[in-house]
Amino acid sequence: EIVMTQSPATLSVSPGERATLSCRASQSVSSNLAWYQQKPGQAPRLLIYGASTRATGIPARFSGSGSGTEFTLTISSLQSEDFAVYYCQQYNNWWTFGQGTKVEIK
Amino acid sequence: EVQLVESGGGLVQPGGSLRLSCAASGFSFSDYWMTWVRQTPGKGLEWVANIKQDGSDKHFVDSVKGRFTISRDNAKNSMYLQMNSLRAEDTAVYYCASLRQVDYAYYFEYWGQGTLVTVSS
Repeated sequence: EIVMTQSPATLSVSPGERATLSCRASQSVSSNLAWYQQKPGQAPRLLIYGASTRATGIPARFSGSGSGTEFTLTISSLQSEDFAVYYCQQYNNWWTFGQGTKVEIK
Repeated sequence: EVQLVESGGGLVQPGGSLRLSCAASGFSFSDYWMTWVRQTPGKGLEWVANIKQDGSDKHFVDSVKGRFTISRDNAKNSMYLQMNSLRAEDTAVYYCASLRQVDYAYYFEYWGQGTLVTVSS
């Protein structure tokens, strides 16, 4: 099983600032990496697939990068609606998720 | 608008059974692999099972093999998860999701709102 490790567990950011979230895979997943956003009481929502491709309707302030084992999700200027938990997921070998990074208001 | 609506969750005793349903609309359901994912505070998000477009191919996470079955009815745009011999560790919010293929890989594109399954005496 491929283990996905996200850091940090919690990120405190002020509105308008940049947020950088990291995700590491225990073995290479090529570019088969997705990012999801989850708000309390809601289902995860797809943000990024293929490590860097934004899903339909996702604002340009969300960007993804990386390949192999190291990946990054960047939110360029945090809006109030962006405070949530973010999960990475590899889909190169079945599917496994990271434990999540909570982005909270500083 | 794509919609996935789960139902069938509830409280069940250990060893009991439950059948979850997922009703799809807003896309061509029969063209997509579909999947079940569950979420717990302790283990986080975990893929559970998936099923091919015509139901001919199915896969399960090891922890539910032999206890859970997955099926679909394309005429009703619906997918099901039959859960037998339930254990406390099956307690979770269960989501259905559609799978989108890119090359030879599949990611979870659309998700339902989830249904809570609680296994407890």
